[in-house]
Amino acid sequence: QSALTQPRSVSGSPGQSVTISCTGTSSDVGGYNYVSWYQQHPGKAPKLMIYDVSKRPSGVPDRFSGSKSGNTASLTISGLQAEDEGDYYCCSYAGSYTVIFGGGTKLTVL
Amino acid sequence: EVQLVESGGGLVQPGESLRLSCAASGFTFSSYWMHWVRQAPGKGLVWVSRIYPDGTRTSYADSVKGRFTISRDNAKNTLYLQMNSLRVEDTAVYYCARDPYHYDSSGNPRSDYYMDVWGKGTTVTVSS
Repeated sequence: QSALTQPRSVSGSPGQSVTISCTGTSSDVGGYNYVSWYQQHPGKAPKLMIYDVSKRPSGVPDRFSGSKSGNTASLTISGLQAEDEGDYYCCSYAGSYTVIFGGGTKLTVL
Repeated sequence: EVQLVESGGGLVQPGESLRLSCAASGFTFSSYWMHWVRQAPGKGLVWVSRIYPDGTRTSYADSVKGRFTISRDNAKNTLYLQMNSLRVEDTAVYYCARDPYHYDSSGNPRSDYYMDVWGKGTTVTVSS
């Protein structure tokens, strides 16, 4: 059960777009359309941003979008805003009723 | 308001036990799968365990299998995590989280393995 692979950090200026990748295997990300993404601000609980690869919960801005190709899922944030700064985690079903998270990516808005 | 409130964290010595609780309110607790997720200081999220709505099926991360037990009391709207043989590396904030369901084409509830509501967490410190 090794963590999914995410870049440690990404950055962008306000208004720009950034993409965070999440690489797994055919036993998790590549095998199921059960990828979700979470945003976490310091000292706070995680917040669901994307589920089922590309679906957005109500209340999440449409600047956030998700996709998947093979064993890699991606979260794209367009029109970056200061409040988007924080940590982002991907998550995938990994078979046998288990779940696995990525190592997390720190997003800095310059 | 949909809410999850964890409790039971604290400071324990290696080898000791602790039971965490997660009180749910604002939704029909007995209909939902539930998870425990932990986060060590300065580290990322790590999935710990999941339980079926009726408590009959459970799953665990390899790192806690055989030491931790997830359970629930639907009459009390409460999720539990019994942690035995605690190790220093179990030190973390422990979150409970709700896993929403939907109905498949056969009318059966099913989960898509994501977490839409999280508690604020309770801190467990294992140290001698």
